[in-house]
Amino acid sequence: EDQVTQSPEALRLQEGESSSLNCSYTVSGLRGLFWYRQDPGKGPEFLFTLYSAGEEKEKERLKATLTKKESFLHITAPKPEDSATYLCAVQDPGQNFVFGPGTRLSVLP
Amino acid sequence: GAGVSQSPSNKVTEKGKDVELRCDPISGHTALYWYRQSLGQGLEFLIYFQGNSAPDKSGLPSDRFSAERTGGSVSTLTIQRTQQEDSAVYLCASSLEWSYGYTFGSGTRLTVV
Repeated sequence: EDQVTQSPEALRLQEGESSSLNCSYTVSGLRGLFWYRQDPGKGPEFLFTLYSAGEEKEKERLKATLTKKESFLHITAPKPEDSATYLCAVQDPGQNFVFGPGTRLSVLP
Repeated sequence: GAGVSQSPSNKVTEKGKDVELRCDPISGHTALYWYRQSLGQGLEFLIYFQGNSAPDKSGLPSDRFSAERTGGSVSTLTIQRTQQEDSAVYLCASSLEWSYGYTFGSGTRLTVV
Protein backbone atom coordinates (compact mmCIF):
# COMPACT_ATOMS: atom_id res chain seq x y z
CA GLU A 1 0.00 0.00 0.00
CA ASP A 2 1.30 3.45 -0.95
CA GLN A 3 2.22 5.62 2.02
CA VAL A 4 3.39 9.20 2.40
CA THR A 5 4.63 10.81 5.60
CA GLN A 6 5.79 14.38 6.08
CA SER A 7 7.95 16.00 8.71
CA PRO A 8 7.93 18.12 10.65
CA GLU A 9 4.21 18.47 11.26
CA ALA A 10 4.71 22.18 11.85
CA LEU A 11 7.68 24.49 11.40
CA ARG A 12 8.17 28.04 12.57
CA LEU A 13 10.94 30.09 10.96
CA GLN A 14 12.16 33.63 11.20
CA GLU A 15 12.16 35.57 7.95
CA GLY A 16 15.39 34.73 6.10
CA GLU A 17 15.99 31.50 8.05
CA SER A 18 16.40 28.72 5.47
CA SER A 19 15.16 25.20 6.17
CA SER A 20 13.88 21.99 4.57
CA LEU A 21 10.66 20.00 4.67
CA ASN A 22 10.73 16.24 4.31
CA CYS A 23 8.41 13.87 2.44
CA SER A 24 9.07 10.15 2.85
CA TYR A 25 7.20 7.68 0.69
CA THR A 26 6.71 4.05 -0.15
CA VAL A 27 5.04 3.33 -3.46
CA SER A 28 4.86 0.39 -5.84
CA GLY A 29 6.50 2.12 -8.77
CA LEU A 30 6.68 5.89 -8.56
CA ARG A 31 5.10 7.63 -11.49
CA GLY A 32 5.58 11.09 -10.04
CA LEU A 33 6.01 12.99 -6.79
CA PHE A 34 4.11 16.24 -6.43
CA TRP A 35 4.45 19.21 -4.12
CA TYR A 36 1.53 21.52 -3.40
CA ARG A 37 1.04 24.62 -1.30
CA GLN A 38 -2.26 25.16 0.52
CA ASP A 39 -3.37 28.43 2.07
CA PRO A 40 -6.16 28.46 4.69
CA GLY A 41 -9.61 28.15 3.14
CA LYS A 42 -8.25 27.40 -0.31
CA GLY A 43 -7.53 24.34 -2.39
CA PRO A 44 -3.95 23.16 -2.84
CA GLU A 45 -1.87 24.95 -5.46
CA PHE A 46 0.46 22.90 -7.63
CA LEU A 47 4.18 23.62 -7.26
CA PHE A 48 6.32 20.83 -8.74
CA THR A 49 6.36 17.36 -10.23
CA LEU A 50 9.46 15.19 -9.83
CA TYR A 51 9.79 11.96 -11.77
CA SER A 52 13.06 10.25 -10.90
CA ALA A 53 15.74 10.13 -8.25
CA GLY A 54 18.28 12.89 -8.59
CA GLU A 55 15.87 15.31 -10.17
CA GLU A 56 15.61 18.86 -8.84
CA LYS A 57 13.19 21.69 -9.59
CA GLU A 58 13.22 25.30 -8.48
CA LYS A 59 10.67 28.07 -8.22
CA GLU A 60 11.57 31.35 -6.58
CA ARG A 61 12.72 30.52 -3.02
CA LEU A 62 11.69 26.86 -3.27
CA LYS A 63 13.73 23.91 -4.48
CA ALA A 64 12.45 20.34 -4.55
CA THR A 65 14.71 17.31 -4.69
CA LEU A 66 13.97 13.61 -4.99
CA THR A 67 15.64 10.38 -3.91
CA LYS A 68 14.30 6.83 -4.11
CA LYS A 69 12.72 7.11 -0.67
CA GLU A 70 12.11 10.78 0.01
CA SER A 71 11.79 14.27 -1.28
CA PHE A 72 12.89 17.52 0.27
CA LEU A 73 11.43 20.96 -0.21
CA HIS A 74 14.16 23.47 0.54
CA ILE A 75 13.09 26.99 1.38
CA THR A 76 15.83 29.61 1.03
CA ALA A 77 15.51 32.92 2.86
CA PRO A 78 11.75 32.54 3.38
CA LYS A 79 9.38 35.47 3.60
CA PRO A 80 6.12 35.71 5.60
CA GLU A 81 4.14 35.14 2.38
CA ASP A 82 5.67 31.65 2.19
CA SER A 83 3.58 30.71 5.23
CA ALA A 84 1.24 27.89 4.21
CA THR A 85 0.76 24.14 4.49
CA TYR A 86 2.97 22.23 2.07
CA LEU A 87 1.59 18.93 0.81
CA CYS A 88 3.45 16.11 -0.85
CA ALA A 89 1.75 13.45 -2.98
CA VAL A 90 2.86 10.39 -4.93
CA GLN A 91 1.28 8.80 -7.95
CA ASP A 92 1.64 5.10 -8.65
CA PRO A 93 1.39 3.36 -12.04
CA GLY A 94 -2.34 2.84 -11.46
CA GLN A 95 -2.67 6.63 -11.45
CA ASN A 96 -3.68 6.61 -7.81
CA PHE A 97 -2.56 9.66 -5.86
CA VAL A 98 -1.73 9.47 -2.18
CA PHE A 99 -1.22 12.69 -0.23
CA GLY A 100 0.79 13.19 2.92
CA PRO A 101 -0.65 15.04 5.93
CA GLY A 102 1.33 18.20 5.17
CA THR A 103 3.76 20.48 6.97
CA ARG A 104 2.39 23.72 8.38
CA LEU A 105 4.99 26.43 7.79
CA SER A 106 4.91 29.76 9.57
CA VAL A 107 7.45 32.45 8.65
CA LEU A 108 7.63 35.26 11.16
CA PRO A 109 8.67 38.78 10.14
CA GLY B 1 -13.43 29.08 -16.92
CA ALA B 2 -10.11 30.23 -15.53
CA GLY B 3 -10.12 27.82 -12.63
CA VAL B 4 -11.98 24.97 -11.00
CA SER B 5 -15.22 26.21 -9.52
CA GLN B 6 -17.04 24.50 -6.66
CA SER B 7 -20.41 25.23 -5.18
CA PRO B 8 -21.64 25.82 -2.63
CA SER B 9 -18.58 27.07 -0.77
CA ASN B 10 -20.23 26.24 2.54
CA LYS B 11 -23.06 23.85 3.36
CA VAL B 12 -24.65 23.14 6.71
CA THR B 13 -27.08 20.24 6.73
CA GLU B 14 -28.97 18.20 9.24
CA LYS B 15 -27.97 14.63 9.93
CA GLY B 16 -29.87 12.27 7.65
CA LYS B 17 -30.39 14.75 4.83
CA ASP B 18 -28.94 14.33 1.33
CA VAL B 19 -26.51 16.87 -0.12
CA GLU B 20 -25.17 17.58 -3.60
CA LEU B 21 -21.82 19.21 -4.20
CA ARG B 22 -20.94 20.60 -7.60
CA CYS B 23 -17.65 20.90 -9.43
CA ASP B 24 -17.02 22.81 -12.65
CA PRO B 25 -13.57 21.80 -13.94
CA ILE B 26 -11.30 23.77 -16.22
CA SER B 27 -12.54 23.56 -19.77
CA GLY B 28 -10.78 20.83 -21.69
CA HIS B 29 -9.47 18.99 -18.65
CA THR B 30 -10.30 15.34 -19.13
CA ALA B 31 -9.41 14.16 -15.63
CA LEU B 32 -11.49 15.09 -12.59
CA TYR B 33 -10.94 14.04 -9.01
CA TRP B 34 -12.83 14.38 -5.75
CA TYR B 35 -10.97 14.45 -2.44
CA ARG B 36 -12.05 14.94 1.15
CA GLN B 37 -9.98 16.85 3.69
CA SER B 38 -10.82 16.59 7.37
CA LEU B 39 -9.37 18.96 9.97
CA GLY B 40 -5.70 18.16 10.46
CA GLN B 41 -5.85 15.24 8.05
CA GLY B 42 -4.36 14.68 4.63
CA LEU B 43 -6.39 14.59 1.47
CA GLU B 44 -8.46 11.43 1.15
CA PHE B 45 -9.11 10.25 -2.40
CA LEU B 46 -12.77 9.63 -3.20
CA ILE B 47 -13.33 9.18 -6.93
CA TYR B 48 -11.59 9.79 -10.26
CA PHE B 49 -13.05 10.39 -13.72
CA GLN B 50 -10.93 10.16 -16.85
CA GLY B 51 -12.57 11.01 -20.14
CA ASN B 52 -15.29 8.53 -21.05
CA SER B 53 -13.79 5.69 -19.03
CA ALA B 54 -15.60 4.12 -16.12
CA PRO B 55 -14.78 6.12 -12.98
CA ASP B 56 -12.44 4.82 -10.31
CA LYS B 57 -14.72 4.69 -7.27
CA SER B 58 -12.28 2.87 -5.03
CA GLY B 59 -12.02 5.73 -2.54
CA LEU B 60 -15.71 6.19 -1.80
CA PRO B 61 -16.12 5.43 1.93
CA SER B 62 -19.61 3.95 1.74
CA ASP B 63 -22.53 3.39 -0.62
CA ARG B 64 -24.03 6.65 0.66
CA PHE B 65 -21.51 8.41 -1.55
CA SER B 66 -21.88 8.63 -5.31
CA ALA B 67 -20.68 10.90 -8.07
CA GLU B 68 -21.38 11.50 -11.69
CA ARG B 69 -19.85 13.54 -14.43
CA THR B 70 -22.09 14.75 -17.20
CA GLY B 71 -20.83 15.33 -20.71
CA GLY B 72 -17.23 15.01 -19.58
CA SER B 73 -17.49 18.32 -17.76
CA VAL B 74 -19.47 19.20 -14.61
CA SER B 75 -19.42 16.69 -11.77
CA THR B 76 -21.76 16.24 -8.84
CA LEU B 77 -20.86 14.44 -5.64
CA THR B 78 -23.92 13.24 -3.75
CA ILE B 79 -23.93 12.16 -0.13
CA GLN B 80 -27.13 10.45 1.03
CA ARG B 81 -28.33 10.27 4.64
CA THR B 82 -25.45 12.44 5.85
CA GLN B 83 -23.69 11.58 9.09
CA GLN B 84 -21.63 13.81 11.37
CA GLU B 85 -18.44 12.05 10.30
CA ASP B 86 -19.09 13.30 6.76
CA SER B 87 -18.23 16.82 7.93
CA ALA B 88 -15.13 17.88 6.00
CA VAL B 89 -13.94 20.03 3.12
CA TYR B 90 -14.68 18.37 -0.19
CA LEU B 91 -12.18 19.32 -2.87
CA CYS B 92 -12.46 18.86 -6.59
CA ALA B 93 -9.50 18.97 -8.95
CA SER B 94 -9.03 18.66 -12.67
CA SER B 95 -6.05 17.95 -14.85
CA LEU B 96 -5.20 18.07 -18.51
CA GLU B 97 -2.33 15.65 -18.16
CA TRP B 98 -1.16 13.89 -15.04
CA SER B 99 2.35 15.29 -14.97
CA TYR B 100 1.05 18.84 -14.79
CA GLY B 101 -0.47 18.20 -11.40
CA TYR B 102 -4.01 19.02 -10.49
CA THR B 103 -5.71 22.37 -10.34
CA PHE B 104 -7.89 22.38 -7.26
CA GLY B 105 -11.04 24.28 -6.53
CA SER B 106 -11.47 26.09 -3.21
CA GLY B 107 -13.64 23.31 -1.88
CA THR B 108 -17.04 22.95 -0.24
CA ARG B 109 -17.00 22.98 3.55
CA LEU B 110 -19.71 20.55 4.66
CA THR B 111 -20.94 20.62 8.22
CA VAL B 112 -23.43 18.00 9.36
CA VAL B 113 -25.26 18.97 12.55
